[in-house]
Amino acid sequence: EIVMTQSPVTLSVSPGERATLSCRASQSVGSNLAWYQQKPGQAPRLLIYGAYIRATGIPARFSGRGSGTEFILTISSLQSEDFAVYYCLQSNNWPPLTFGGGTKVEIK
Amino acid sequence: EVQLVESGGGLIQPGGSLRLSCAASGFTVSDKYMSWVRQAPGKGLEWVSVIYSGGTTYYADSVKGRFTISRDASKNTLYLQMNGLRVEDTAIYYCARMTVYYYHMDVWGNGTAVAVSS
Repeated sequence: EIVMTQSPVTLSVSPGERATLSCRASQSVGSNLAWYQQKPGQAPRLLIYGAYIRATGIPARFSGRGSGTEFILTISSLQSEDFAVYYCLQSNNWPPLTFGGGTKVEIK
Repeated sequence: EVQLVESGGGLIQPGGSLRLSCAASGFTVSDKYMSWVRQAPGKGLEWVSVIYSGGTTYYADSVKGRFTISRDASKNTLYLQMNGLRVEDTAIYYCARMTVYYYHMDVWGNGTAVAVSS
């Protein structure tokens, strides 16, 4: 089973600042990496798939990069609606599909 | 509009059974890979099960032998039959559509809550 590790667990950022979230895989997942945003009481929302491809309707301030075992999600200028928990998901070697533990982006 | 709506959750005693439903609209369930994902209170996301368009099914080790994923094409609905429920199965259960392009979940339902307690 591929283990996905996200860091940091919590990220405190001021509105308008850049946020950089990391996701590391225990073995290569190629580009089969997706990012999701989840707000309290809501279902996850797809942001990025294929490591860097923005999903439909996702603002350009969200960007993904990386391949193999190291991935980054960047939010270029945080808006109030971006404060949430972010999860990465690997789908290269499955089942099982495996999620990272999440990074909570909170207001500084 | 593409939409998934789960139902069937509730409070159940340990050892009991429950069947979750996920009604789809805007696409055909049997044409897609469909997954169930759960989230225990205050915890992260955990993949539970998948059914391929061809009917092949897979399960997380934590539910294997107890849960069964299925679908009804005539009702365009996905199901999760949960038997032998344990306290640790307490979670919100989401159904999600998967796309085979990078195998990710692109559409999620709003979830249904399952609480296993005596």
